[in-house]
Amino acid sequence: DTGVSQNPRHKITKRGQNVTFRCDPISEHNRLYWYRQTLGQGPEFLTYFQNEAQLEKSRLLSDRFSAERPKGSFSTLEIQRTEQGDSAMYLCASSPRRFEPETQYFGPGTRLLVL
Amino acid sequence: DAKTTQPNSMESNEEEPVHLPCNHSTISGTDYIHWYRQLPSQGPEYVIHGLTSNVNNRMASLAIAEDRKSSTLILHRATLRDAAVYYCILRGYNYGQNFVFGPGTRLSVLP
Repeated sequence: DTGVSQNPRHKITKRGQNVTFRCDPISEHNRLYWYRQTLGQGPEFLTYFQNEAQLEKSRLLSDRFSAERPKGSFSTLEIQRTEQGDSAMYLCASSPRRFEPETQYFGPGTRLLVL
Repeated sequence: DAKTTQPNSMESNEEEPVHLPCNHSTISGTDYIHWYRQLPSQGPEYVIHGLTSNVNNRMASLAIAEDRKSSTLILHRATLRDAAVYYCILRGYNYGQNFVFGPGTRLSVLP
């Protein structure tokens, strides 16, 4: 069990650039979540996938954000035209089950700094 | 929206028990109570969950009030590695598909 992995762990970019993060869930976990966490706050839900289908998106996910999960395996989160307000920790979690009680397994996160 | 209330911070001495409270007065009958914790520079990790009865696992115990409007996470012997932010989360069919995290309780463990 290798756990959820995320790459890169850290990313520094200039305002206006595009960035892409990758999440590899635990093998055979069919649910995958993206969260964003700013300093001093708990994680905030962004979006989730059931296999390759993106089933829910938060209003936090502006049109500059896009997430994919081709073939229901790894997922990518892309932010276009980054803004300083996008600076945060981006967390990925996966889960093996659909019904309660659900346990989500989180990755270590990707910390983004937009200059 | 988080529907739980926790103290912002707590302190404990090493090797002593810690009781972390959580109020959830609007809990409904099908809501599970989940606890996660987040160590510094890491993603959250599962601690324990329960529905009505008290629960024990290797990490902690969860005591749920009879009316289910509050619960307490119990760490039996705090260690320095237990210093983290602890989140109490309600999850059920009424809350959609995601966990709603509040700011949690920051636990400091003193040597």
